[in-house]
Amino acid sequence: DSGVTQTPKHLITATGQRVTLRCSPRSGDLSVYWYQQSLDQGLQFLIQYYNGEERAKGNILERFSAQQFPDLHSELNLSSLELGDSALYFCASSVEGRGSTEAFFGQGTRLTVV
Amino acid sequence: QQQVKQSPQSLIVQKGGISIINCAYENTAFDYFPWYQQFPGKGPALLIAIRPDVSEKKEGRFTISFNKSAKQFSLHIMDSQPGDSATYFCAAVYNTDKLIFGTGTRLQVFP
Repeated sequence: DSGVTQTPKHLITATGQRVTLRCSPRSGDLSVYWYQQSLDQGLQFLIQYYNGEERAKGNILERFSAQQFPDLHSELNLSSLELGDSALYFCASSVEGRGSTEAFFGQGTRLTVV
Repeated sequence: QQQVKQSPQSLIVQKGGISIINCAYENTAFDYFPWYQQFPGKGPALLIAIRPDVSEKKEGRFTISFNKSAKQFSLHIMDSQPGDSATYFCAAVYNTDKLIFGTGTRLQVFP
C-alpha cells in the first residue's frame, strides 16, 4: 500500500458527461501529480500541484482541470468526455524538496467512456 | 528535449536469464533517474534509482548502469523470475520533482 488513495476505482460514463476523480496523497506529501495511462500512450503527465498551487502542466486537455484543496487532497475534473478519454488515471504524491524525488502512486481510477 | 526514450517495448526472457531495458535522454538538467515497476491493475512503484554522479547501482538482482556522456541508462534484471513479469518504466527527474516517464517495457519471464 503506497498510502495514496484514489476514488473511485472504476467509473463508466457516457460521452459528453463530466466526472471527478479524487486523490488523497500520503500524509505529509505536498505535491500531487496526475497521470493518464492508455494502452498506446504509456504514462502521460497531466498536471502537478504543490501545496494548493499549480506547479507544472503537461499534456492536459482544456476539457480537463484539476485543483488541490487546503487539506491537500486533489480532484481531477474531466468534462465533455470522449471515447478516447477512456484510460487509467493515476495520482501520485511526493514530498517536495531537494533529494525528495520518489513519487508514490495510487491504484488508479479506470475510466470507461461509452 | 524533455523526453525519455525507452526500449524495447516488450521483452520475453526465460527464467534465470538476464533482462535488459535501455533508456536515453537529451536534457542534461535531469538529475535523478528512477525505475518504476508496474503490475497489472496496480500503480507504478519505485524499484531502484540512480544519480548521474554514479555509474552503477545494484540492489539485489536489479542493477542500473548509467553512462552520463552517452546520456543513457539501463536496467539489468539478473536471474529473471516469473514474478518479475511486469511493465517497467524508466524516468528522469529535474528541478527535484518533475518526473518524466519513458514509454514502458512489458517484460514476460517464462518458466
